[in-house]
Amino acid sequence: GESVGLHLPTLSVQEGDNSIINCAYSNSASDYFIWYKQESGKGPQFIIDIRSNMDKRQGQRVTVLLNKTVKHLSLQIAATQPGDSAVYFCAEPATGANSKLTFGKGITLSVRP
Amino acid sequence: DAGITQSPRHKVTETGTPVTLRCHQTENHRYMYWYRQDPGHGLRLIHYSYGVKDTDKGEVSDGYSVSRSKTEDFLLTLESATSSQTSVYFCAISVRVGETQYFGPGTRLLVL
Repeated sequence: GESVGLHLPTLSVQEGDNSIINCAYSNSASDYFIWYKQESGKGPQFIIDIRSNMDKRQGQRVTVLLNKTVKHLSLQIAATQPGDSAVYFCAEPATGANSKLTFGKGITLSVRP
Repeated sequence: DAGITQSPRHKVTETGTPVTLRCHQTENHRYMYWYRQDPGHGLRLIHYSYGVKDTDKGEVSDGYSVSRSKTEDFLLTLESATSSQTSVYFCAISVRVGETQYFGPGTRLLVL
């Protein structure tokens, strides 16, 4: 079936460096994507989203890039901080009645001081 | 957590006992969801609601039932808890189908 997946299970970065988290999707008809951050012991937290009519969207220290040609999106975190340490998921809402979110398995971002 | 609370936050129960988890929202969102999160499986949809008294099954609904008598409350019931239902349960809400879902803080359930 259709799926949303992540390339790497873990990512370790130095504090202050930029982080790039990648995600591939398989449904070429997908038109909306969401990035979530989940800290230990907490629920997933919305970070940023992007629709398929955009290639790039920026938030506070975060940028999401969408490449529809290769069905790939990435989350860029500028000047990574210790508070950015968490698991990051990309997700795709289904367009059916249940609006089921298809999540990637998650990638753990670890920030070295 | 976008005006979403879950109760209890932690629960330990024994196999065969009924358990009810509560999700309460103050956002007046129409859609509400229950997920479970397990290592190796990620987040999986149990049941969802598209309005008061309107609910439907997700991908892992066996052994669970839900009820929604008010817009703000969505209850998840394990009729007879089993060890396989040990998990972390998350409630989520959204304004419309296909839009961003916002998650609650979760309930950690241990079935002995």
